Amino acid sequence: QKEVEQNSGPLSVPEGAIASLNCTYSDRGSQSFFWYRQYSGKSPELIMFIYSNGDKEDGRFTAQLNKASQYVSLLIRDSQPSDSATYLCAVKRSNTGKLIFGQGTTLQVKP
Amino acid sequence: DAGVTQSPTHLIKTRGQQVTLRCSPKSGHDTVSWYQQALGQGPQFIFQYYEEEERQRGNFPDRFSGHQFPNYSSELNVNALLLGDSALYLCASSVGNTGELFFGEGSRLTVL
Repeated sequence: QKEVEQNSGPLSVPEGAIASLNCTYSDRGSQSFFWYRQYSGKSPELIMFIYSNGDKEDGRFTAQLNKASQYVSLLIRDSQPSDSATYLCAVKRSNTGKLIFGQGTTLQVKP
Repeated sequence: DAGVTQSPTHLIKTRGQQVTLRCSPKSGHDTVSWYQQALGQGPQFIFQYYEEEERQRGNFPDRFSGHQFPNYSSELNVNALLLGDSALYLCASSVGNTGELFFGEGSRLTVL
């Protein structure tokens, strides 16, 4: 079992729709959760982080965390073609610098 | 404010050779992490350096080694290169061991 699992996709949504990206993790000691975006041929960039159960909103992005179910998600509202990228979920324990990434989900937003 | 810079951007080596990759962290950052990213995969944690010491290590063999200098810059060394070492090597900097990482553009290594 992988430590962080994501559906590789591609996930295809029409422009203006809500894109829902999901991630599960196996280590119950994980304390911090991150979403990175990686455009083709570029390096990952941080878009959101969440530490507590519930929802966290930042503009068109909402991160959702359910530690009991070991589940993290990212919602992108009003999806734009510029959102087309690979979204990487990452988790870490609080006492370690080791950030574990999933394989990423490729999102395609079609005009 | 310069971000994370890596060099070289691309390099080609042959099996058995050794390679050194370099990274300068973002200004104000004191921690450097190295990741290996194969095509179509997520980044895999190699190790993290803080205060010139290796603080965390992933599941990589001893052929992979590193160093951090007093100015926080870092090097990744890979000895006895294998074909499977071909990948994008990413350096990321942070303040302490937070997961809020800033990545460089990477060094793409091809081993022939």
